[in-house]
Amino acid sequence: DIQMTQSPSSLSASVGDRVTITCRASQGVSSYLAWFQQKPGKAPKSLIYAASSLQSGVPSRFSGSRSGTNFTLTISSLQPEDFATYYCQHYSNYPFTFGQGTRLEIK
Amino acid sequence: QITLKESGPTLVKPTQTLTLTCTFSGFSLTTNGVGVGWIRQPPGKAPEWLALIYWNDDERYHPSLRSRLTVTKDTSKNQVVLIMTNMDPVDTATYYCAHELGAFDYWSQGTLVTVSS
Repeated sequence: DIQMTQSPSSLSASVGDRVTITCRASQGVSSYLAWFQQKPGKAPKSLIYAASSLQSGVPSRFSGSRSGTNFTLTISSLQPEDFATYYCQHYSNYPFTFGQGTRLEIK
Repeated sequence: QITLKESGPTLVKPTQTLTLTCTFSGFSLTTNGVGVGWIRQPPGKAPEWLALIYWNDDERYHPSLRSRLTVTKDTSKNQVVLIMTNMDPVDTATYYCAHELGAFDYWSQGTLVTVSS
């Protein structure tokens, strides 16, 4: 199985901050990488697919990028509704696997 | 507008079989490339992919759970069914179904399934 390792595990930031979350794949997944946002008691919400493509309806302050097996999710200017847990997930081959999550908290 | 909703028991006993049904709308599981997947999330943990069924009847399963899982589809009813046998307390989780077209883009609300005697 391909292991997805996210860093940091948790992060404190303020409204208006620029935030970057990293996800590293244990082997190549090409650009078959998605990012999700999850709030307590809710289903994950798709933000990014194909490493850098924004899902319809997702604010443009969210962006994704890839460098080899390293992927980043960037939020350019944090808004109050962005405080949540973020997961990466590869869909390069089976089994699909998720990162352990990054909890983004208000400073 | 794509929506999915799962239904099934919220409490099962150890060794019992879990059957969950995902009923969807806004897409067809006969459309080239489309799939419906099942993902679970134990309380406080990351999601875990379980299984997928595609428009062409291709079925994919998590290798570690393959012997316990079966996924079927009924395109006339717009439903996908997940069967998981020999349930154990460690299988306690919120179970989701999701539309897949490359990536999981639409998810159901989730149902918490507790395994306890």
